[in-house]
Amino acid sequence: AQSVSQHNHHVILSEAASLELGCNYSYGGTVNLFWYVQYPGQHLQLLLKYFSGDPLVKGIKGFEAEFIKSKFSFNLRKPSVQWSDTAEYFCAGPPGNNNDMRFGAGTRLTVKP
Amino acid sequence: DSGVTQTPKHLITATGQRVTLRCSPRSGDLSVYWYQQSLDQGLQFLIQYYNGEERAKGNILERFSAQQFPDLHSELNLSSLELGDSALYFCASSVGQVPYEQYFGPGTRLTVT
Repeated sequence: AQSVSQHNHHVILSEAASLELGCNYSYGGTVNLFWYVQYPGQHLQLLLKYFSGDPLVKGIKGFEAEFIKSKFSFNLRKPSVQWSDTAEYFCAGPPGNNNDMRFGAGTRLTVKP
Repeated sequence: DSGVTQTPKHLITATGQRVTLRCSPRSGDLSVYWYQQSLDQGLQFLIQYYNGEERAKGNILERFSAQQFPDLHSELNLSSLELGDSALYFCASSVGQVPYEQYFGPGTRLTVT
């Protein structure tokens, strides 16, 4: 089935550690991919998006993601996390031209001060 | 603040009842999307409306329906409620028909007892 999957359910890091959260998609055709963040008690916010062009996408708050077509991946990275990055992170994408946006199961990130 | 508003914030109701959730999109956005977020199912796309017309359908049950009014606000109607319908219901909006950048509301937490 066409879907987006996230490998890590819960990640615990210390401040200043580097972060990489995995995301894979399983559909072909047009690929549009997104990372959203949900801070505790808040709504989802867009971190970054990929439509085409440069596969390395920069987002807000120092996050970036790399689209690797050969690996069907769109992993989220941040070189040095902060306590305030504690949140749930969702990878998402609409398969092809369909607007049926598929979200991954989410990865809960806990950053210890 | 994303500019998307949802009412009510919390709703507690009994099984078999019917409720209506309301969403007002960001100013200028023509698309409204509804999502259900639960612990076991994650974030599931339900339905999208664009400028008053249904544009895409996801995992929406037959007991659920939605509409978008001329002023672009949207309502999600949930009927014959079951315990399993307890979840956080998010509304999101975007400018165009495709979900290139969605802005999420704060959600309505529905508890069915």
